[in-house]
Amino acid sequence: GAVVSQHPSWVICKSGTSVKIECRSLDFQATTMFWYRQFPKQSLMLMATSNEGSKATYEQGVEKDKFLINHASLTLSTLTVTSAHPEDSSFYICSARSGAYNEQFFGPGTRLTVL
Amino acid sequence: KQEVTQIPAALSVPEGENLVLNCSFTDSAIYNLQWFRQDPGKGLTSLLLIQSSQREQTSGRLNASLDKSSGRSTLYIAASQPGDSATYLCAVRGQAGTALIFGKGTTLSVSS
Repeated sequence: GAVVSQHPSWVICKSGTSVKIECRSLDFQATTMFWYRQFPKQSLMLMATSNEGSKATYEQGVEKDKFLINHASLTLSTLTVTSAHPEDSSFYICSARSGAYNEQFFGPGTRLTVL
Repeated sequence: KQEVTQIPAALSVPEGENLVLNCSFTDSAIYNLQWFRQDPGKGLTSLLLIQSSQREQTSGRLNASLDKSSGRSTLYIAASQPGDSATYLCAVRGQAGTALIFGKGTTLSVSS
C-alpha cells in the first residue's frame, strides 16, 4: 500500500513552453501533497505544500506564478512549470501524506530537461 | 529554520565493513526523523523512520539511532555490500503534517 505515482517520468521541452507533472496517490487519500526539486548532486528542496481544495503554500524563493500547483482532489496534484527555461531543468519529486499515516510517501520523480 | 547536515558527504569502503553515517539537525523539536536511500537518477526508498519518542529503529543490517536533545542521528550499516552503494538521505519533520526537510546526503560506494 501507500503508492505514489508521477507522470511523466521524464520530459524534454523547448524553452518558453509549459510542462505539467501529475502526482497521484494510488491507494490512499492524500490530504497533503508536497513538491520537491532536486538539482544534480544536491538534496531535495521543498518547493511547496498543498492541501486538497486550498491554495498551495510556497517556500521562500519559489515563484508561485511560475510553478502552478493544483490539488483538486484527494488523489491528484499537478505541478505546472510555466514558460520553462533551461535553469528549471531538474528532478521534480512529489510526496503525499494522509491523515492516517505519520510519514510521507514519495513518487518516483520526473526528470525535466528544458532545451 | 531547520537545517539538516550530513557527514561525510561521500564514503568509500571495501565490502564487509561496518559503517556509520551521521546526521545532525539544528532544531531539536522534531516530530520524527527518516532515513532514505536514493539510487542515481531514481526516487527515494524509505529505510527507517524514528518517532521523536524513540531511540532507535532496526531493519535487517540497518540500525538508526536518534538523540533528539543533541540533534543527532546515526545510520549504522553492518557488513556492507556492493548493493548498498547509493546516496543516503536524512530528513526531519518538525511537526505532524509538515514537510520533511532533507540533508544533502552521504554518497556511499562499497567495492567488492
